[in-house]
Amino acid sequence: EDQVTQSPEALRLQEGESSSLNCSYTVSGLRGLFWYRQDPGKGPEFLFTLYSAGEEKEKERLKATLTKKESFLHITAPKPEDSATYLCAVGVSGGYNKLIFGAGTRLAVHP
Amino acid sequence: DSGVTQTPKHLITATGQRVTLRCSPRSGDLSVYWYQQSLDQGLQFLIQYYNGEERAKGNILERFSAQQFPDLHSELNLSSLELGDSALYFCASSVDSSNQPQHFGDGTRLSIL
Repeated sequence: EDQVTQSPEALRLQEGESSSLNCSYTVSGLRGLFWYRQDPGKGPEFLFTLYSAGEEKEKERLKATLTKKESFLHITAPKPEDSATYLCAVGVSGGYNKLIFGAGTRLAVHP
Repeated sequence: DSGVTQTPKHLITATGQRVTLRCSPRSGDLSVYWYQQSLDQGLQFLIQYYNGEERAKGNILERFSAQQFPDLHSELNLSSLELGDSALYFCASSVDSSNQPQHFGDGTRLSIL
């Protein structure tokens, strides 16, 4: 069964304290791994897509990496405005574009 | 702003009723997806349409149905509502049906009293 697991469930950081979020997956045919940010009361906001092991993408303080079994979202020197829930999703094979989401990591960055 | 528009933002109704949620995809996107987000289940895929045709089904109840119209907007119809249907319903769109990123609207919050 296709499955996505994110850890930790919640993370509290001090401003400037770098850390990483983990997304491990078990899928029959990976067609892309997607990272989203979700703020309270809003829809998920697309951040990155990774398609193959070894691929890396960066955007401001965020860097996403991908291996054959997991992905990491590295947050460097976070700021309070980085506080949000970060969702990982995998696209599975089958001729369509269904996404399977993890439960997310709630990140709180304190000044 | 993702470019995906969902209406209404909030909906309060009673058990047994029927509601319709509406979604306008980003300009140029042909695929529309519907997801349900509840506290205990996370984001769950319901159904996908591509250029007016149903492409994939997820864990969508028989009481729920959807369609995509010629102008590419989509509607999700929920009937015989139960308390457990209370959730956030998100629409997303993508350029086509391949493994391209999906862009989400801000959802409709459905509360069943």
